Amino acid sequence: AQKITQTQPGMFVQEKEAVTLDCTYDTSDPSYGLFWYKQPSSGEMIFLIYQGSYDQQNATEGRYSLNFQKARKSANLVISASQLGDSAMYFCAMREGGGGAGKSTFGDGTTLTVKP
Amino acid sequence: NAGVTQTPKFQVLKTGQSMTLQCAQDMNHEYMSWYRQDPGMGLRLIHYSVGAGITDQGEVPNGYNVSRSTTEDFPLRLLSAAPSQTSVYFCASSYSQGVGTGELFFGEGSRLTVL
Repeated sequence: AQKITQTQPGMFVQEKEAVTLDCTYDTSDPSYGLFWYKQPSSGEMIFLIYQGSYDQQNATEGRYSLNFQKARKSANLVISASQLGDSAMYFCAMREGGGGAGKSTFGDGTTLTVKP
Repeated sequence: NAGVTQTPKFQVLKTGQSMTLQCAQDMNHEYMSWYRQDPGMGLRLIHYSVGAGITDQGEVPNGYNVSRSTTEDFPLRLLSAAPSQTSVYFCASSYSQGVGTGELFFGEGSRLTVL
């Protein structure tokens, strides 16, 4: 079974509007971490935001926030006030157990296009 | 601060040839890993290491070897290249979770084409 599911292959959003990118995950490990990464057309991978399974509050980093619903096993990324530079592919990833994210599982990604 | 450095950035091989993708990090990270990314897909883990002298297989290890003789270096060897190994390869490193979030720091990627 796929551990990370991103059901939106492509999304469009108008500049300055908010957008939510969906991510659901599957694990039986009580300790895990959830990450979102951005991959612009240039190809590099950029870390955006992290949520730990024991964190009580949703993570926020500037215009990025993570809507963490543990019981539903979802970790949606919310981008507020979209900018043209937000156009990229976005990946949700999960690390199970302790340790670093080196053994992460990735979803297939969502391509976000921001329209002017 | 160089971060994670991968070489080469581009490589074309013929079927059956061997090669090594180099990866080095200067952040003293314990964890290092190799992923491959095929068109329109996410990253799949090939091999990873939790420290010098320790390596383990990921989701798609067949056809690849790794070693970790130092903390800094984690080369990926293709033993006998096949067209199915045409992909973009990313090396990544991270701290353990106890230091920050433990997120992955990526190299710029290596685009490999096998003819």
